[in-house]
Amino acid sequence: DLQMTQSPSFLSASVGDRVTITCRASRNISKYLNWYQRTPGEAPKFLIYTTSSLQSGVPSRFSGAGSGTDFTLTISSLQREDFATYYCQQSYTTPYTFGQGTKLEIK
Amino acid sequence: QLQLQESGSGLVKPSQTLSLTCVVSGGSITSAGYSWSWIRQPPGKGLEYIGFIYHSGSTYYNPSLKSRVTMSVDVSKNQFSLNLTSVTAADTAEYFCARTLRAPAAPDAFDIWGRGTMVTVSS
Repeated sequence: DLQMTQSPSFLSASVGDRVTITCRASRNISKYLNWYQRTPGEAPKFLIYTTSSLQSGVPSRFSGAGSGTDFTLTISSLQREDFATYYCQQSYTTPYTFGQGTKLEIK
Repeated sequence: QLQLQESGSGLVKPSQTLSLTCVVSGGSITSAGYSWSWIRQPPGKGLEYIGFIYHSGSTYYNPSLKSRVTMSVDVSKNQFSLNLTSVTAADTAEYFCARTLRAPAAPDAFDIWGRGTMVTVSS
């Protein structure tokens, strides 16, 4: 299976900070990389598809970039509601696979 | 607004069958351009893709689980289901259902999820 590796696993930041999460694929997945946000007790939220397209309703402080094997999710100015766990997912080939998650905590 | 809600047995004995249902509300399971997926997350571990089903009944299963998984759909009830046989403690996880986009612009992304349901395998 195609492996997805996120870094860091944990990230401590403050409201207003700019943060970047990295996702690396074990082989070329072109642009087929999606991002999700998970808050305990809530349904996971779909943020970004095909690397950089923002899902409707997602704030513009979220952005995605990359291609091939290396991808990033950036939050330009953290808000309190952004403290959650983020997952990348490749949709290049089945079985679809996810990164292990990055937990974003309040400093 | 479309919503998904998982339900089923929260405690399953080893070697038995785990059965879950996902009810789709606020929209039709027969809408074009979507399939319907199951995803799970064991405690302290990452997300694992189980498979998807179309409203027609066509399925894809993750090869790692294929021998034990069956998915079905009931369009009259607007719901789809997961059966996982011969469970062990390794199948203990939070199970999610999700709508899967089949659009060319966003292929195979999960745009709407249920809140998840915890299933524990224990005697």
